[in-house]
Order: sequence, then structure tokens, then C-alpha cells
Amino acid sequence: NAGVTQTPKFRILKIGQSMTLQCTQDMNHNYMYWYRQDPGMGLKLIYYSVGAGITDKGEVPNGYNVSRSTTEDFPLRLELAAPSQTSVYFCASSPPRDGTGELFFGEGSRLTVL
Amino acid sequence: GNSVTQMEGPVTLSEEAFLTINCTYTATGYPSLFWYVQYPGEGLQLLLKATKADDKGSNKGFEATYRKETTSFHLEKGSVQVSDSAVYFCALWTSTSGTYKYIFGTGTRLKVLA
Repeated sequence: NAGVTQTPKFRILKIGQSMTLQCTQDMNHNYMYWYRQDPGMGLKLIYYSVGAGITDKGEVPNGYNVSRSTTEDFPLRLELAAPSQTSVYFCASSPPRDGTGELFFGEGSRLTVL
Repeated sequence: GNSVTQMEGPVTLSEEAFLTINCTYTATGYPSLFWYVQYPGEGLQLLLKATKADDKGSNKGFEATYRKETTSFHLEKGSVQVSDSAVYFCALWTSTSGTYKYIFGTGTRLKVLA
């Protein structure tokens, strides 16, 4: 079972470059999320989506953009990368609001901006 | 607002020692509570959960009881193993303006020595 798949696993960017982190899930989950995890810190929500065509900002959306054209895919785009965006990024998904609330995480994408 | 506070780490224990990681929360309504575990180099994965007051979640020898009167969800294990070394996150799942969101604690790193 694939679950939540993120690519790439590692990436080094120069300041000002742009890139897209890919996320896809094969569980037909409505909810999808992007989090960042800074060293020694918890998770901060960047953006989330409650279904195809619907996205909304989380706690730390500045410098990022998302789209949700299909149920499966939820890419995160970094425009004009900055050193402050050096972090580990996690994509996650959860099933419809059925009371369980479990989040399924990808393995993470480690991004370094130099 | 909603928040989760968990004890700071790192926590270092000898194998077979008793583990407690404290977690308290602030929330309106009736949140569900979770413990997630993150092993080195991996994404978070669900360890256990409780969806209502007095529920006890358990998995892999870990337990936590949803205490509404003390707004707590402390994680315990009677005898830790080296393989339990990981970062543990307490989280609550609750509705804000009709949308369900997670609130994560900052994580507690556990190191178990042989």
C-alpha cells in the first residue's frame, strides 16, 4: 500500500529559486495538509485542503502556494526560496469527517535553501 | 484558543524503566486526542488515540487516558525498550468554524539506553 507519497526526499535550493514539492495519496482521502517541521520544533500547518478545488491557509502560509485539482494530488509550491524556508516538509491526509481523525503522513521532504 | 502543551525533552531512560510523558490541552467543545510517534528519518505515525472523556487508548504497550477534568492525556509505558527511542507528539483534533484541524504539541524526544 503506497499511502501518502512525497517527492523529492531531499533538495537543495539557492535563494530566489522556485520549486514544487509533490504529494499524492491513494486512499481517497478528502482532507490533505502540508506541514513544516523545524529542528526541535513541532509541526506548523502551511496549507490544507478539504477537497478538490478547495484550499485554505494554515498558520504559516507566506512564501508558499498550493493547488488541489484532483483528490489524489496536493502539490506545494515555493516561490522565491529564502533561508527561512529550510525545513522538513510533511504532507498528510485524513479520511472524511467520520470521527476517527487519524492523519496519514508521508516520509517527508528535507529542503535546504542556501 | 485551542492548544497543546507537552513536557519538554529530551527524556533519557534506561531500558525497562517506566515512562511518562505529560500532555495537557486547552480546547472548546469535545476534541479527540492523539499520540503520534516519529522514528528517526521517518514521518509521524499514529500511536494511539481517544475520542471521548475517560477513553483509554493503547498500542504497543503504551497507554493514555483522556481526562477531561484535568484536561490531560499523559502517555505511559511500563517498560521501555531501546526501539522506543523516538519523538512523541501529543495532538488534539477539533472543529473550528466547521473545519476540523489538528493542533500539535512541540514533541518530546525519548532516548532509551541499553
